[in-house]
Amino acid sequence: DAGITQSPRHKVTETGTPVTLRCHQTENHRYMYWYRQDPGHGLRLIHYSYGVKDTDKGEVSDGYSVSRSKTEDFLLTLESATSSQTSVYFCAISQTGSEGGYTFGSGTRLTVV
Amino acid sequence: QQQVKQSPQSLIVQKGGISIINCAYENTAFDYFPWYQQFPGKGPALLIAIRPDVSEKKEGRFTISFNKSAKQFSLHIMDSQPGDSATYFCAGVVYNQGGKLIFGQGTELSVKP
Repeated sequence: DAGITQSPRHKVTETGTPVTLRCHQTENHRYMYWYRQDPGHGLRLIHYSYGVKDTDKGEVSDGYSVSRSKTEDFLLTLESATSSQTSVYFCAISQTGSEGGYTFGSGTRLTVV
Repeated sequence: QQQVKQSPQSLIVQKGGISIINCAYENTAFDYFPWYQQFPGKGPALLIAIRPDVSEKKEGRFTISFNKSAKQFSLHIMDSQPGDSATYFCAGVVYNQGGKLIFGQGTELSVKP
């Protein structure tokens, strides 16, 4: 997706290992979000950021941490991966007050074995 | 916690028919209501959005109907085409909470030729 990239696209990791997913934007948008997508649950917000070093929790934040040291990068870390964190993770960016102005990345498929 | 509930979970429509997806929300904090379309392996993409002070919005074959008193809104896809086969998500957005998108559970639409 234009202006936003996620890495890696796919990852398999073992239970108990730390994992970091990266979201990079070239749009200079203020807001960045991490969602996870699971069947029957839609997309659920994990954490979001409203500026450099400004982050807050979403509805499913347990077991996840985030960092944003630069406008363009928003990192999601699973401190100790569990099988329940097997999911597809999406990053999104938006401008303040922009109706519908959310752009999503292509997702990272994470499997915890 | 704000929630958006979506139905049906899956929908099969014949080509040329009307697809209807319904959503309901639980509180009045949302500032607007977008619909997203997602194809397999891709991130969600904005389809159409509506503000709560508007009862209907139409863009091409896609129409949102909004009933503020009932806290319900729906997406109508007229003249449904096989290319419309995708997963659709309704959502609500709260500007003063970091612009968070709160998604419904999703509807998998299949349009048969």
